[in-house]
Amino acid sequence: EPEVTQTPSHQVTQMGQEVILRCVPISNHLYFYWYRQILGQKVEFLVSFYNNEISEKSEIFDDQFSVERPDGSNFTLKIRSTKLEDSAMYFCASRIGNEQFFGPGTRLTVL
Amino acid sequence: AQSVSQHNHHVILSEAASLELGCNYSYGGTVNLFWYVQYPGQHLQLLLKYFSGDPLVKGIKGFEAEFIKSKFSFNLRKPSVQWSDTAEYFCAVRDYNTDKLIFGTGTRLQVFP
Repeated sequence: EPEVTQTPSHQVTQMGQEVILRCVPISNHLYFYWYRQILGQKVEFLVSFYNNEISEKSEIFDDQFSVERPDGSNFTLKIRSTKLEDSAMYFCASRIGNEQFFGPGTRLTVL
Repeated sequence: AQSVSQHNHHVILSEAASLELGCNYSYGGTVNLFWYVQYPGQHLQLLLKYFSGDPLVKGIKGFEAEFIKSKFSFNLRKPSVQWSDTAEYFCAVRDYNTDKLIFGTGTRLQVFP
């Protein structure tokens, strides 16, 4: 069964550094998402992406965040200058019908 | 703004006990409703979903949920839990007019043998 994959599984970075989280959505899916889950809290929507542009973003998704689909298969989330509060599990998801399929997540730790 | 409430934050049960986890949402329009499960150290997996039709939906691993529109509820049930059901359970709603999922805070279920 096709799956959403994410790399790396765990990323440790220093505050102020840039990080890029990578996702490979399911191949025939058209809609892509990033969510995050701070430890002990609920899963929060960050951004949705369709037809090579952002279709919706949350208040969390400020100018430090960007998304890209550089080559038709990868879907990336970039955080330009990480802060301590960016430490979280980041989930990628993709959708073709009404169901979003989630990847295993990348645990980002900002020191 | 839409929101999802899960009233049970931590539930502890013995094997074979019955389970009901509450979920209420605040939105009056057409919604799609979901329950996701997150086993320790794993990613979110879909348990079941409701889009339309029969308000009693059956999912994987013996779970079911009932959509009660008048109560804005979508409670998850299982008649007899197993130790392997130990996990975090998230209710989510998708506003038909937007594209995002709004999650509840989750319920941590611990099942003891």
